Amino acid sequence: GQNIDQPTEMTATEGAIVQINCTYQTSGFNGLFWYQQHAGEAPTFLSYNVLDGLEEKGRFSSFLSRSKGYSYLLLKELQMKDSASYLCAVRDSNYQLIWGAGTKLIIKP
Amino acid sequence: GAVVSQHPSRVICKSGTSVKIECRSLDFQATTMFWYRQFPKQSLMLMATSNEGSKATYEQGVEKDKFLINHASLTLSTLTVTSAHPEDSSFYICSASGRPTEAFFGQGTRLTVV
Repeated sequence: GQNIDQPTEMTATEGAIVQINCTYQTSGFNGLFWYQQHAGEAPTFLSYNVLDGLEEKGRFSSFLSRSKGYSYLLLKELQMKDSASYLCAVRDSNYQLIWGAGTKLIIKP
Repeated sequence: GAVVSQHPSRVICKSGTSVKIECRSLDFQATTMFWYRQFPKQSLMLMATSNEGSKATYEQGVEKDKFLINHASLTLSTLTVTSAHPEDSSFYICSASGRPTEAFFGQGTRLTVV
C-alpha cells in the first residue's frame, strides 16, 4: 500500500531551527510537496521537490532523497506565526497526491 | 502565486437540504481540480478528481450521488452535497492544478448541517 509517515507533533523555540521529516512508500513518484496549514484554514503551498537535493526558499528549505524515500522540511529563524501543521504529500504514478497526516509544530517563546 | 477562490467559506444548512460549493481558478486554467474533505486534527482525504469536460473520478467509499461534482469549464468546479446530514458536517477544500509542479488550494468551506 501507499504510505506517508511524518511525526505527529514537534515543539521548538522561537528563533531556533527545526527539521520535519517525511518518509514515503508510494506506487511511483512524480514529486513531493510540503504545505503549511493553520488551524481552520486551507493548506498553503510551501515547496516542491522532484529531483534529489535541497531547495531553499527564504527561511524554508526542503530536501529530497528519492532512493531513500525521504524528505525533510527545514525551518530557520522560527517565528511564532510558524506554529501550524505541516503536510507532506507525494504525487504517485497516477498523479494523485498521497497525503501524510501532518506534523503539528508548536513554537514556544 | 496562483489564486483559487472557494465559496462559501462557511455555510449552515438544515438536514435534508443541498449545498453547492464553488471552486474557481482566478488567474490560470485548471485542467484538474481535486475535492478534499478534512476532519478535525486529521489530514486531507481526497474525495474526487475532476478533469474539465469529463466525469469526476471518485475515491473508494465516496458516494457519487451524494457528492455531485461538475467541472464545466477550465476555471470552475462545483461540489454539491445533496440531502445533507449532520455527519456531512466537515471542512471541504478544493485544489486546482494547471501544471504538474503546482497545486493550489481554495480557502475551504466549513459546512455545518443542523
